[in-house]
Amino acid sequence: KAGVTQTPRYLIKTRGQQVTLSCSPISGHRSVSWYQQTPGQGLQFLFEYFSETQRNKGNFPGRFSGRQFSNSRSEMNVSTLELGDSALYLCASSLQGGWEAFFGQGTRLTVV
Amino acid sequence: GESVGLHLPTLSVQEGDNSIINCAYSNSASDYFIWYKQESGKGPQFIIDIRSNMDKRQGQRVTVLLNKTVKHLSLQIAATQPGDSAVYFCAENGLDTDKLIFGTGTRLQVFP
Repeated sequence: KAGVTQTPRYLIKTRGQQVTLSCSPISGHRSVSWYQQTPGQGLQFLFEYFSETQRNKGNFPGRFSGRQFSNSRSEMNVSTLELGDSALYLCASSLQGGWEAFFGQGTRLTVV
Repeated sequence: GESVGLHLPTLSVQEGDNSIINCAYSNSASDYFIWYKQESGKGPQFIIDIRSNMDKRQGQRVTVLLNKTVKHLSLQIAATQPGDSAVYFCAENGLDTDKLIFGTGTRLQVFP
């Protein structure tokens, strides 16, 4: 079956703009988690959605938000982009959250 | 705070040898652990997981060992191949079952 699909693969945005990233989980998976990966901070948890509800949130400012649709697809949005938001944003899906999480290829966001 | 760390940032091994990648975790409440492999330009790839009620779990050429007494996790790769070259991350579920806390990663380099 198809894996986790993230779109777009690459994005270049200007400071102050906003961006929306998309994630389609593995069919049947209801949990979608988002992570930010940077060389300095490693992989950091952003938030997790299950059945359209945010169950857990990491220590990121309110500029980072997300949502999940009834078909389990998820989007994350970053508003008022800062240079420090440049990172690889990864989405992971699992049946119930946490356990056996499978990652997509990520979206590489560059803020200039 | 919660943290997962790795002892060796870079591990170089000769092709055909066995590799051992170590990970220390700090949260005694963690009851689920995963190892991921991340190749350049790709998202983390699930390798193997283990629950806290187990000490050892084997997969294809990989074995994960869990020592809860000293809060230590290791990944053993048998007959290391060039294709095993990547960054390896351990992760734990910490206090929340809905998210994963990642270690900083170990780069495995395989030379002929």
